Amino acid sequence: KAGVTQTPRYLIKTRGQQVTLSCSPISGHRSVSWYQQTPGQGLQFLFEYFSETQRNKGNFPGRFSGRQFSNSRSEMNVSTLELGDSALYLCASSPSTTTRYGYTFGSGTRLTVV
Amino acid sequence: GENVEQHPSTLSVQEGDSAVIKCTYSDSASNYFPWYKQELGKRPQLIIDIRSNVGEKKDQRIAVTLNKTAKHFSLHITETQPEDSAVYFCAASNSGGSNYKLTFGKGTLLTVNP
Repeated sequence: KAGVTQTPRYLIKTRGQQVTLSCSPISGHRSVSWYQQTPGQGLQFLFEYFSETQRNKGNFPGRFSGRQFSNSRSEMNVSTLELGDSALYLCASSPSTTTRYGYTFGSGTRLTVV
Repeated sequence: GENVEQHPSTLSVQEGDSAVIKCTYSDSASNYFPWYKQELGKRPQLIIDIRSNVGEKKDQRIAVTLNKTAKHFSLHITETQPEDSAVYFCAASNSGGSNYKLTFGKGTLLTVNP
């Protein structure tokens, strides 16, 4: 069974640009969550989607947005990139409508903003 | 919202020794506590979890304990091996609630010296 797939694996962007990251969850998983991982802040919650609906959003500026498609694939978008947006962006999928079974993480997209 | 504190931030042990990582949480409604292991350059992987109706859970050399009254839980690794070297994250959530997210601690870098 395929795992959580994130594309691209690496990305270099310039300040002010925008970027779109993609996540394909495990087949049958309908919940997709996104986290930002940085050395100083650990894993910070961005948002969670279930059946194309955003159910929760973390404390990130409006430049960070996401969506989920009918096949459960999800994308996140960051507009007007800043140097501080450089991070590993992790997507995680879950089989449940709640968090009770934990997450399976993808390998992440390493975003570098220069 | 939930806040998870994790200690220590770094831990160095000799091979064969035990390692203990401790976490505290703030939301008394939290009832699901997973632990993730992240090796360098890899994705976080769920290694063990515990629910609030259980005080302790073991899986081979790994055990987790939960004290709901004190709102803290701990990861215990016995007979450590070099391959246990990684960053470990604790997390908490209310699996029956409506916030649909895991809140993570900032991680513990465990180094097992041969």
